[in-house]
Amino acid sequence: NAGVTQTPKFRVLKTGQSMTLLCAQDMNHEYMYWYRQDPGMGLRLIHYSVGEGTTAKGEVPDGYNVSRLKKQNFLLGLESAAPSQTSVYFCASSFSREGAKNIQYFGAGTRLSVL
Amino acid sequence: EDQVTQSPEALRLQEGESSSLNCSYTVSGLRGLFWYRQDPGKGPEFLFTLYSAGEEKEKERLKATLTKKESFLHITAPKPEDSATYLCAVRLISGNTPLVFGKGTRLSVIA
Repeated sequence: NAGVTQTPKFRVLKTGQSMTLLCAQDMNHEYMYWYRQDPGMGLRLIHYSVGEGTTAKGEVPDGYNVSRLKKQNFLLGLESAAPSQTSVYFCASSFSREGAKNIQYFGAGTRLSVL
Repeated sequence: EDQVTQSPEALRLQEGESSSLNCSYTVSGLRGLFWYRQDPGKGPEFLFTLYSAGEEKEKERLKATLTKKESFLHITAPKPEDSATYLCAVRLISGNTPLVFGKGTRLSVIA
């Protein structure tokens, strides 16, 4: 049972380049999330999805887009990368928002550097 | 503005030296408080969830408690393998953000 898998694990981009981060979960979870983690800032929610075909903005959505075409996958896109997007990105998933089913399970992260 | 504050930012303990980490929250309504452990280079790993004041949960050397305004993560006789960053997160009644995370406490346990 793999849980939450993120690809790639590391990536270096030049300013202005685009890329897509892939998150896959095999737990049949309805909810999926993308966070970024920066030193001194903690985990901040970028976008999330409450089900296949639906997405919503989190705390820091600017400069990112997401898609949830399949229940098990959640994609995070950077259309024109900026140095301010250098960070560690985490994907998470949960059954729902309520009670114990709101427990979020995290992937191992993607370390992105934008030069 | 709703806020989650963890203290201290960093804590260094000798092996066997018990202590507590604090998570205080200023929110209009709480629907759950979560504790996670994060090892360097890895994603957060779920530890506990608490829902009402007075509730307690235990796992090995860790014990989490909850009051109306804060939660404590008590570490009894810690070992070096307990070294990690401990994150607190709250689920709110209002708003669309599923969880709001604190910045974490970095714990080092020295043998």
